[in-house]
Amino acid sequence: NAGVTQTPKFRILKIGQSMTLQCTQDMNHNYMYWYRQDPGMGLKLIYYSVGAGITDKGEVPNGYNVSRSTTEDFPLRLELAAPSQTSVYFCASSYSPHTGELFFGEGSRLTVL
Amino acid sequence: DAKTTQPNSMESNEEEPVHLPCNHSTISGTDYIHWYRQLPSQGPEYVIHGLTSNVNNRMASLAIAEDRKSSTLILHRATLRDAAVYYCILRVFNNAGNMLTFGGGTRLMVKP
Repeated sequence: NAGVTQTPKFRILKIGQSMTLQCTQDMNHNYMYWYRQDPGMGLKLIYYSVGAGITDKGEVPNGYNVSRSTTEDFPLRLELAAPSQTSVYFCASSYSPHTGELFFGEGSRLTVL
Repeated sequence: DAKTTQPNSMESNEEEPVHLPCNHSTISGTDYIHWYRQLPSQGPEYVIHGLTSNVNNRMASLAIAEDRKSSTLILHRATLRDAAVYYCILRVFNNAGNMLTFGGGTRLMVKP
């Protein structure tokens, strides 16, 4: 099973550029999440979605946008990249909103220069 | 939101049991206690979760205090592969879904 797949794994951006981090899951999970992890730190929630067409902000949404047109896909868009967005980004999905485990992708390492 | 407190780091010898503590004194009655671990350069992976009763699975055991203000993740025989950052998280339920907030976690070092 593929689980949660993120692309790209690595990317270098220049300040002001835009890009989209892709995330897809094949487990038919309604709940999907985007986290960022700065070096030596825990994960902070950027955005989450409870189903197709429904998204909401997490703890650190500024500078990002998301969409959820299908159950499988939950892309994260960075507009006008800034050095502060240099981080590792993790996508995750879950079947249950309360008790079920989160399945994480392998991460996308983004550097903004 | 309910928060958790964990030691920054712990050391263990290989093949010995490890007890990783977590304090969550502001936990509410509907919050589930989850544990995840993150191996170097990987995404977090689920370890175990519980609500009130102690839980066992193939990876670990979770001991929850009677007042639910603390819990302990127990690795029965640590191996070198268990060296990771362990996160204790409260699964908070709200009308729009739920959010998992990851704190700094405990970095477990396993010595051969």
